[in-house]
Amino acid sequence: QVQLQESGPGLVKPSETLSLTCSVSGDSMTGHFWIWLRQSPEKGLEWIGYVYNTWTTYYNPSLKSRVTISMETSNNHFSLSLNSVTAADTAVYFCARGINNGPYWYFDLWGRGTLVTVSS
Amino acid sequence: DIQMTQSPSSLSASVGDRVTMTCRPSQSLNTDLNWYQQRQGEPPNLLIYGVSNLQSGVPSRFAGSGSGTDFTLTINSLQPEDFAVYYCQQSKSAPYSFGQGTRLEI
Repeated sequence: QVQLQESGPGLVKPSETLSLTCSVSGDSMTGHFWIWLRQSPEKGLEWIGYVYNTWTTYYNPSLKSRVTISMETSNNHFSLSLNSVTAADTAVYFCARGINNGPYWYFDLWGRGTLVTVSS
Repeated sequence: DIQMTQSPSSLSASVGDRVTMTCRPSQSLNTDLNWYQQRQGEPPNLLIYGVSNLQSGVPSRFAGSGSGTDFTLTINSLQPEDFAVYYCQQSKSAPYSFGQGTRLEI
């Protein structure tokens, strides 16, 4: 059974960098899209970006200047880095798997999410 | 960016009822519309992809339909575990946006 698990600090200071890791178990990372999203009461569910086959990334334009997503297939995990954070980046962060199934594109598996609070 | 508008924002129903909720994107979608269910304290769970395709393991009482800028999620014979928040999501173009959700309450 494929499982995703987020990990990382729950508290980040303003202007610093938020770093999270998603561990993938039960599946090869090759051939799938690996995605970060976040959810807050203010913005709802927001797609942050994805990494595909190690080198291909695509980011939400609203966050692009601050985001890096990378993956390490040998260790079966992928990571999110978001720099220069403010209180507006406080959210529950989810990692997810993206499936490209013919004409369809969807997020079929999600981690349980981790709350990250930006505060001094 | 494609904006997703869901209605109603909340819906009251009883076990055994049939309910319908709507999603209207700001641009026409082809089959690029997915539905997710989120129970309290849990991540979103994929219910339907490509407008009307039931994800594996999802009960057949869930059904999606629609085209263009008007999509619907119908739940037949509501069960206690169906009381949750439902989100539509467009997969046509990045950023892959979600609606604000419809909260289904008893």
